[in-house]
Amino acid sequence: AQSVSQHNHHVILSEAASLELGCNYSYGGTVNLFWYVQYPGQHLQLLLKYFSGDPLVKGIKGFEAEFIKSKFSFNLRKPSVQWSDTAEYFCAVIAADTGKLIFGQGTTLQVKP
Amino acid sequence: EAGVAQSPRYKIIEKRQSVAFWCNPISGHATLYWYQQILGQGPKLLIQFQNNGVVDDSQLPKDRFSAERLKGVDSTLKIQPAKLEDSAVYLCASLSHYGYTFGSGTRLTVV
Repeated sequence: AQSVSQHNHHVILSEAASLELGCNYSYGGTVNLFWYVQYPGQHLQLLLKYFSGDPLVKGIKGFEAEFIKSKFSFNLRKPSVQWSDTAEYFCAVIAADTGKLIFGQGTTLQVKP
Repeated sequence: EAGVAQSPRYKIIEKRQSVAFWCNPISGHATLYWYQQILGQGPKLLIQFQNNGVVDDSQLPKDRFSAERLKGVDSTLKIQPAKLEDSAVYLCASLSHYGYTFGSGTRLTVV
């Protein structure tokens, strides 16, 4: 069965610091990969997605993620975080044959001004 | 395009009561999902519909949860009777070739 693991549950950074959130999945077949963000009191929003092609994916608000197939990883990065990036971040995977979108447990990012 | 509509936004009930949530997906989206998001956790898939048929309900606690999508458009998720551990946000999502679109969710508090 497919599953998603996010390494960090709670990350605290100062503004302008660089961010990397880890995500690993377990599934042997073809997958599509996503990062979602959930700002306090708001619904899930798509940050970026990977379906195929260039494994380095750029998303909204300066975020990017790199798909490393050999490591089953899809880590999220941002060179310089802002206070407004404070939110919960979810990695998610769809296995191509099941079509089920499975989420990781989430990482809470707190950016101090 | 319009988003996924969910109602109500908030609901507070006592344990052992019943509750129903409604979702109206984006027009034309054949695939609809219900997720349960407990505070501090990632959304957990409860049920997946393709038109009005159930594709996957393996994570749905069928002794108390039920869902239907009779005309392949809007959907209802019901809990009867509710338990304290059902307190969560219930998210509906629909799928197009652009990807998933989530509704704002219904926050259920069981007291």
